[in-house]
This record gives sequence, structure tokens and C-alpha cells, in this order.
Amino acid sequence: KQEVTQIPAALSVPEGENLVLNCSFTDSAIYNLQWFRQDPGKGLTSLLLIQSSQREQTSGRLNASLDKSSGRSTLYIAASQPGDSATYLCAVGSFQKLVFGTGTRLLVSP
Amino acid sequence: DAGITQSPRYKITETGRQVTLMCHQTWSHSYMFWYRQDLGHGLRLIYYSAAADITDKGEVPDGYVVSRSKTENFPLTLESATRSQTSVYFCASTPLSGSSYNEQFFGPGTRLTVL
Repeated sequence: KQEVTQIPAALSVPEGENLVLNCSFTDSAIYNLQWFRQDPGKGLTSLLLIQSSQREQTSGRLNASLDKSSGRSTLYIAASQPGDSATYLCAVGSFQKLVFGTGTRLLVSP
Repeated sequence: DAGITQSPRYKITETGRQVTLMCHQTWSHSYMFWYRQDLGHGLRLIYYSAAADITDKGEVPDGYVVSRSKTENFPLTLESATRSQTSVYFCASTPLSGSSYNEQFFGPGTRLTVL
């Protein structure tokens, strides 16, 4: 059974810092990996999707990497802003089904 | 409005009652999903559907029933609600395109409280 772990569970940084969120998974036979953002009381917003054949994806200040062999993905956020404060969820795809981690709660202080 | 919508957004019910949560998407995506989100468990898949009239169980299907008579709708029914089904429920969809596995798009969620 696929298990997804996100470390750290919570992170507090001052504005402007570059930061890395970690995601690890136990079964490397995945189809893709998706990073989401969730604001309090809201739904999930898709940030980046990495297919199993890809090593990384970039969108603006966000960069996500995937290392299937080691069962790891990282989400790099450059020059963090208070508006980046949210919970970040990693989800591993097996065919069309996703298995989620429990998330990293990020607080960026002005 | 285009996208994926859920109704109701908030629901309070009592133990033993039947409750139906609605999900509607305007993209004509083939796949639709129901997840529940609980503290300490993250999101877990309840049921999913590959197309109209095709559904299958996810990780936590017990106590739930789904149907999909039309591509755009995917209702989730709790036949006899229990307190352990108090949760936030999310519906999601994704298109099917060749051999690519596409990102899932999520609705705003329904917060269900069972008293």
C-alpha cells in the first residue's frame, strides 16, 4: 500500500526566504505526482504536476522535482511571500487515483 | 459557472439519516472522484468513476453509495449517516487523454457534521 509522508508538518519563515518542502513515498511505481495548495476552509488548488518520466516542473517561483528511485519529491518556493501561507499537499498518482500526504502548513511572516 | 461545484457547502444531519452530496462539473471530464479529509488522515479516496455508469471503490468506501448516470454529475450518498462520517468531502475530476495522466481539479468541498 502506497504511503506518502510530508516533512515538516509545519514551517514558519520570514518573508523573502527560499524554502523546500519534502514529500516521500514508499512505492516507486507511480504514474505522476501532484502538488496542491489548500487555504483554510477552501478546496485544493493544483500547483504542479510531474509525470513519472519527468524530473522537474516549474511554475513561476515554484519548482518541483521528482526522484522515483528514491521515492522523493521536493517543492522549492523562491522568495517566499505572506500570500504563500497555506497548507501544501503532495499526492502520488497510481493510474488516475491519488494518494495524499498529510501536508505541510506554511506560514510566511511579513 | 464553469468548473466543478459541490452542494451543499455545509450540512448538519443526525445519525441514521440519509444524506446526498452533489458534485457537478462542466468540463465533461471522464473521471470523477470523491475524497474525505480528516485531521491526521489527509485526503482519502472514497469512490471514483471512469465514465457514466462505471464506478469503483477507493480506500474508504464503507457506508457510502455513488452513482453516475450523466458524465457531469457524481452524487455521493450516505445511506445511514454515522458520527464517524463527519468530515469535509471533496469532489474532483480529471480528463482522460491518451496515455497521459492528468492533474485533478477539486471542488470547494462540503463540510458535513453528523450529530
